[in-house]
Amino acid sequence: DIQMTQSPSSLSASVGDRVTITCRASQGINNYLAWYQQKPGKVPKLLIYAASTLQSGVPSRFSGSGSGTDFTLTISSLQPEDVATYYCQKYNNAPYTFGQGTKLEIK
Amino acid sequence: EVQLVESGGGLIQPGGSLRLSCAASGFIVSSSYMSWVRQAPGKGLEWVSVIYTGGSAYYADSVQGRFTISRDNSKNTLYLQMNSLRAEDTAVYYCARDIGMRDYWGQGTLVTVSS
Repeated sequence: DIQMTQSPSSLSASVGDRVTITCRASQGINNYLAWYQQKPGKVPKLLIYAASTLQSGVPSRFSGSGSGTDFTLTISSLQPEDVATYYCQKYNNAPYTFGQGTKLEIK
Repeated sequence: EVQLVESGGGLIQPGGSLRLSCAASGFIVSSSYMSWVRQAPGKGLEWVSVIYTGGSAYYADSVQGRFTISRDNSKNTLYLQMNSLRAEDTAVYYCARDIGMRDYWGQGTLVTVSS
């Protein structure tokens, strides 16, 4: 099975900073990669699908890139409400494995 | 409006069985691929199972042989039959529609496996 590895596992940044989270698949998955944001006690929220397509209603400061095995989620200017844990997920075929998550905090 | 409402969670002893339900509205369950995802307390998201439109199903290795996903088209409801439950199955269980492509998740139902 394909493994999904995110880095870093935690991150502290200042408001206004540019933040990048990476996700690596152990084998190529084309662009079948989604990014989720989950705040404590809340349901995961889809931010990006197809590696780079912004889900409707998601602020444009979020962007995704990559294809094959290496992907990135970028927040162009970190806002206080972006404090959350972020997950990548492959969905080319089952198993639809998630990355282990990246916990983002404000410095 | 698309809605997913899970039910059936609760406290169960190790070795026991439980069936989770996910009642869907606003779309037809059999026309989407439906997944179960779980999250143990303080841990990350773990994909559990999927059932495709044609009825084929797949499972995570951690639940293979113990869990069964199914749907009732007449009730537009997704199920997860969980047998031989273990302490490590304790989690909030979410159902989701077309995971990865659409943002439709239920609110989750808590399953606690403990004696």
